[in-house]
Amino acid sequence: SQTIHQWPATLVQPVGSPLSLECTVEGTSNPNLYWYRQAAGRGLQLLFYSVGIGQISSEVPQNLSASRPQDRQFILSSKKLLLSDSGFYLCAQTSGTGAGATNEKLFFGSGTQLSVL
Amino acid sequence: GDSVTQMEGPVTLSEEAFLTINCTYTATGYPSLFWYVQYPGEGLQLLLKATKADDKGSNKGFEATYRKETTSFHLEKGSVQVSDSAVYFCALTSDQGAQKLVFGQGTRLTINP
Repeated sequence: SQTIHQWPATLVQPVGSPLSLECTVEGTSNPNLYWYRQAAGRGLQLLFYSVGIGQISSEVPQNLSASRPQDRQFILSSKKLLLSDSGFYLCAQTSGTGAGATNEKLFFGSGTQLSVL
Repeated sequence: GDSVTQMEGPVTLSEEAFLTINCTYTATGYPSLFWYVQYPGEGLQLLLKATKADDKGSNKGFEATYRKETTSFHLEKGSVQVSDSAVYFCALTSDQGAQKLVFGQGTRLTINP
């Protein structure tokens, strides 16, 4: 079964500070991995997805970056946080592998609530 | 671009009440439609889905019908339980695959005994 570890659960950071959110997954080799964000009153927005080590696709221009140093590790980072980076961040994976993954098998972590002050 | 609009929450009902959570969408092409649920302290999980017009998705007593003419995918359950308390997300995906999932803002549902 798929298990997604995401930490921390909550984080309060000052404007201009760096950020590193880590997500590790178990159960599937070569999963597709995703970072989503939910801002207050808005729907979930896809930020990044990765189909393999070192392969990152960005969906929206922003202050954040992502990296995938290992098959089951996906990291969301920022060098300098903005107030608008506040939100709820979810890591997700698909149970299929590579381009053949189907969206109904999307599994989500429990999320990180980030408050930038 | 594609978008999903859900009814504003929170929604509070008594046990055994009838539930409807409205969801409408805007999309090009022929999207697949989903309802996800997030129980307290857990991650999101798929509740049900429909991939073409007039399809009805169902699971755990919940149902939703893909209505292309009204661009809607309303979630319904005839008799809710306390254990149904959660946040519900309507979502769609375009033909481009899983990475193009678009979510609504979520509706928090609380069921009182």
